[in-house]
Amino acid sequence: DAKTTQPPSMDCAEGRAANLPCNHSTISGNEYVYWYRQIHSQGPQYIIHGLKNNETNEMASLIITEDRKSSTLILPHATLRDTAVYYCIVLGQGAQKLVFGQGTRLTINP
Amino acid sequence: GAVVSQHPSRVICKSGTSVKIECRSLDFQATTMFWYRQFPKKSLMLMATSNEGSKATYEQGVEKDKFLINHASLTLSTLTVTSAHPEDSSFYICSARVLLAGTGNEQFFGPGTRLTVL
Repeated sequence: DAKTTQPPSMDCAEGRAANLPCNHSTISGNEYVYWYRQIHSQGPQYIIHGLKNNETNEMASLIITEDRKSSTLILPHATLRDTAVYYCIVLGQGAQKLVFGQGTRLTINP
Repeated sequence: GAVVSQHPSRVICKSGTSVKIECRSLDFQATTMFWYRQFPKKSLMLMATSNEGSKATYEQGVEKDKFLINHASLTLSTLTVTSAHPEDSSFYICSARVLLAGTGNEQFFGPGTRLTVL
């Protein structure tokens, strides 16, 4: 599975949109981009995933560039409860396991 | 989403004892379950993959005799830390994989079990 690169930390003001980037320049055609987050001392929570089209659900939007080499997770109106470590993972549909990188520690400030 | 539970949520034990952690998929049958461990301020590290009725596949560097995994049914997997020592103190997280119509394979995580070995 392709490797991903994320900034180690980001800050965002409460109520603003939080935009979390992820680089996955070696992604192959059948690999999906998944986003999970982990709030302190809890298990990871699924957020969203996509292949090449932009995706939106009740939690977030996922914007994938046309060449699929990078993506951005958007939390449209960040709240203090969105403070967490966000993981971007690239995974083939037939792949067995999720392997976590270091993620981005997002801090939402009041 | 689907719910995965873990029991216990916290456990403190003496060095040399064995500890069993249960992972259950509450409203679905999981094709595969996974066990991770996480040290403070570190990312999750995959320990093993288990399929119901077969032996678990352990990641490189994980001792299979130390971390016993039993996957007796499609809704239950257990991890037993045998002869636990203080260096085994960690946050253990399980996850369950299920094939969902329309979205394909999804993986859902339990809330984690914090093990402290004195």
